Amino acid sequence: AQTVTQSQPEMSVQEAETVTLSCTYDTSENNYYLFWYKQPPSRQMILVIRQEAYKQQNATENRFSVNFQKAAKSFSLKISDSQLGDTAMYFCAFRAYNTDKLIFGTGTRLQVFP
Amino acid sequence: DVKVTQSSRYLVKRTGEKVFLECVQDMDHENMFWYRQDPGLGLRLIYFSYDVKMKEKGDIPEGYSVSREKKERFSLILESASTNQTSMYLCASSSTNQPQHFGDGTRLSIL
Repeated sequence: AQTVTQSQPEMSVQEAETVTLSCTYDTSENNYYLFWYKQPPSRQMILVIRQEAYKQQNATENRFSVNFQKAAKSFSLKISDSQLGDTAMYFCAFRAYNTDKLIFGTGTRLQVFP
Repeated sequence: DVKVTQSSRYLVKRTGEKVFLECVQDMDHENMFWYRQDPGLGLRLIYFSYDVKMKEKGDIPEGYSVSREKKERFSLILESASTNQTSMYLCASSSTNQPQHFGDGTRLSIL
């Protein structure tokens, strides 16, 4: 069975600084997808970024980038130039290639301070 | 933009009641999902459906059932609500092999 672990329940960062959220996973699959979702306070969960395991290049979306280490089964999210609007719960998620089901980590609550 | 609409943001019910949570999506997605979200536990899959009238159990189906009579609507049913079902419930939908889109969530309190 696959598992996703987020070892940082809470993190904080000052506005304009860079922060990295950690995620590790366990799977015997070779083909899969990894995701970071953002859930702002009292707002809808939205997709931040996704990575396909067969792609060696790390995914990037504007200020958000990942460090995908397949051998180490690590998938961290880096947020550059942090903004107050980045304050949210961040969930790491795994999906095997042959299913549409997601497996989520327990989440990291990120607070961005002015 | 994909719209996933959950019928209530907040709901208060009593133990033993039959509770219906409704979810509607407007993008003709094949897949629909129900999760519950609890602090420190993340999101856990209750049930999902990959087609009309088709359903599959997730990780925590006990005490819940689902109904999907039309493609756009997926209902979660608590047959006899209990206090340990107090939680945030999230609905999501997706096309096959595409990312999931989430509703705003329903915060359900069982008294």
